[in-house]
Amino acid sequence: GAVVSQHPSRVICKSGTSVKIECRSLDFQATTMFWYRQFPKKSLMLMATSNEGSKATYEQGVEKDKFLINHASLTLSTLTVTSAHPEDSSFYICSSRQGDTEAFFGQGTRLTVV
Amino acid sequence: GQNIDQPTEMTATEGAIVQINCTYQTSGFNGLFWYQQHAGEAPTFLSYNVLDGLEEKGRFSSFLSRSKGYSYLLLKELQMKDSASYLCATMDSNYQLIWGAGTKLIIKP
Repeated sequence: GAVVSQHPSRVICKSGTSVKIECRSLDFQATTMFWYRQFPKKSLMLMATSNEGSKATYEQGVEKDKFLINHASLTLSTLTVTSAHPEDSSFYICSSRQGDTEAFFGQGTRLTVV
Repeated sequence: GQNIDQPTEMTATEGAIVQINCTYQTSGFNGLFWYQQHAGEAPTFLSYNVLDGLEEKGRFSSFLSRSKGYSYLLLKELQMKDSASYLCATMDSNYQLIWGAGTKLIIKP
């Protein structure tokens, strides 16, 4: 199957700093990428849909200015958590699809804000 | 509204068979997915059903009944490594994935 690479896998940052998470599609062109957040023992929550060359579409309740998404190329989408706070600590996962079937996931990023 | 229900936790014995059920109500339907997720890792794809019936893939099988809004994942010959969360997700009319909360499967020797 297709490969989606996400980095970093783990990051610890101080409160008030920003963290950038990268998601790369290694062997296919990802015109659309999805960013999810997952709290412990909870379902994946879609944060935003990232479209190459255009602005991301955010889900209701997700702060656009806090979670900056950039999809500058067909192989790279980034999520930047700005001015991170402890409540932003979570597991962030990116995903992309080929066609309308199987979704391929990055490895996920465990963010801890101290 | 859109809703997916699956049991929170199940326990089974190594070597046995377990069936994880999923019921759904979504706006439109473009298929149902099952994913496996080990703790601290991203989900990995197990199966995709868009037509009614049973899809078998090795030790894992997935069943779909669109009229009943129902699916199950059947795991045979359980191994300890099958201990994980199993996520049911449907694709709605906008091709967006709607996720269940996942079923934590505990395998005992």
